[in-house]
Amino acid sequence: QLQMQESGPGLVKPSETLSLTCTVSGGSISSNSYYWGWIRQPPGKGLEWIASISYSGNTYYTPSLKSRLTISLDTSKKQFSLRLSSVTAADTAVYYCVRQTLIRGDDNWGQGTLVTVSS
Amino acid sequence: EIVLTQSPGTLSLSPGERATLSCRASQSVPSNYLAWYQHKPGQGPRLLIYGASSRATGIPDRFSGSGSGTDFTLTISRLEPEDFAVYHCQQYGNSYTFGQGTKLEIK
Repeated sequence: QLQMQESGPGLVKPSETLSLTCTVSGGSISSNSYYWGWIRQPPGKGLEWIASISYSGNTYYTPSLKSRLTISLDTSKKQFSLRLSSVTAADTAVYYCVRQTLIRGDDNWGQGTLVTVSS
Repeated sequence: EIVLTQSPGTLSLSPGERATLSCRASQSVPSNYLAWYQHKPGQGPRLLIYGASSRATGIPDRFSGSGSGTDFTLTISRLEPEDFAVYHCQQYGNSYTFGQGTKLEIK
């Protein structure tokens, strides 16, 4: 059973960089059948896809955040990571890491981690 | 960007009743790549339906999806106590966007 777990600071100061890591266990991260992504949910709002990466290293970003985002993949550690720079209070959200199948939806999710942007 | 509008915002029903949730897209969803997720507090969303009408692995057959183009429906035939949660629709045919969610609560 594939499991995914987010990790990272729960509190980030405004203008700093938010860094999160997702660790994958119980399955392979080295497959061209899947993409690995991040989705967030601000308090009281809906889900928002923000970034994805393929095993071959192709990256995809939501246009509104593209200039501040970096997603990366470390297959040796079975991890992928997200960096979001110059954060503001609007970036406060629960961040989920997900496995994306492209044609069959996002079939595995982490439990989510709350990141609060505050001084 | 394809905007998804879910209705109703909140649905109050009793166990054993039938639930019908709607998801309307601002333009046609390519290949009917529309998914439904169940979301409970403190957990990641759980994939229920993909491709508008295909049940994901391990999903009970009381959950069914239908629709095409711009209008999609999730039906739960007979509500069980564990079905009360928030439900999200997502289109993944043209980038990824989500609806705002429907909260299914116990009446």
